[in-house]
Amino acid sequence: GENVEQHPSTLSVQEGDSAVIKCTYSDSASNYFPWYKQELGKRPQLIIDIRSNVGEKKDQRIAVTLNKTAKHFSLHITETQPEDSAVYFCAASPLRGNRDDKIIFGKGTRLHILP
Amino acid sequence: DGGITQSPKYLFRKEGQNVTLSCEQNLNHDAMYWYRQDPGQGLRLIYYSQIVNDFQKGDIAEGYSVSREKKESFPLTVTSAQKNPTAFYLCASSINPDFTDTQYFGPGTRLTVL
Repeated sequence: GENVEQHPSTLSVQEGDSAVIKCTYSDSASNYFPWYKQELGKRPQLIIDIRSNVGEKKDQRIAVTLNKTAKHFSLHITETQPEDSAVYFCAASPLRGNRDDKIIFGKGTRLHILP
Repeated sequence: DGGITQSPKYLFRKEGQNVTLSCEQNLNHDAMYWYRQDPGQGLRLIYYSQIVNDFQKGDIAEGYSVSREKKESFPLTVTSAQKNPTAFYLCASSINPDFTDTQYFGPGTRLTVL
């Protein structure tokens, strides 16, 4: 089955600097890669996702890159702000139509934005 | 956010008791999911349902049971067979039932076994 590794588990960056979180996956059939943000005491919310037919996707200060050959994808946050402090989860999901196909989440990265 | 709700927010249970966690959505989503969140473990899938009257086991289904009698409801029962039930439980739903769509999460239920 799919296995998703996420690094680092904790990341501290100075406000205004960039943050990068990396994930690797094992199942080459995975083709949907969402990123969820969970602020303290709140529910996870999707912030960006990418499908295997593109290599990069941007949404304002957030971008995700995908390297299917190497089986890794990354979240990039530029010009970080205090409200970016949260736990970020990556995930991978195949689209084979098999009954056993499921989404697998990484263990999360706790991002601290330092003033 | 208000489209998917969970109750109660906090739940305490004595060892050996079954307990049922509620999850309701008014988003008309076909698919619903239950996850367990432990510190440092991310989100682990317990059960999911892609359509009414059908559900499948996730990665950690042992000690749990679910039902999907109505499209808008997907209750999770934590049975006494679950060896370490203390955790934060999240319910989610999505439009499409194929895991390649945005999942909308509920606010969660924190279960503590005394």
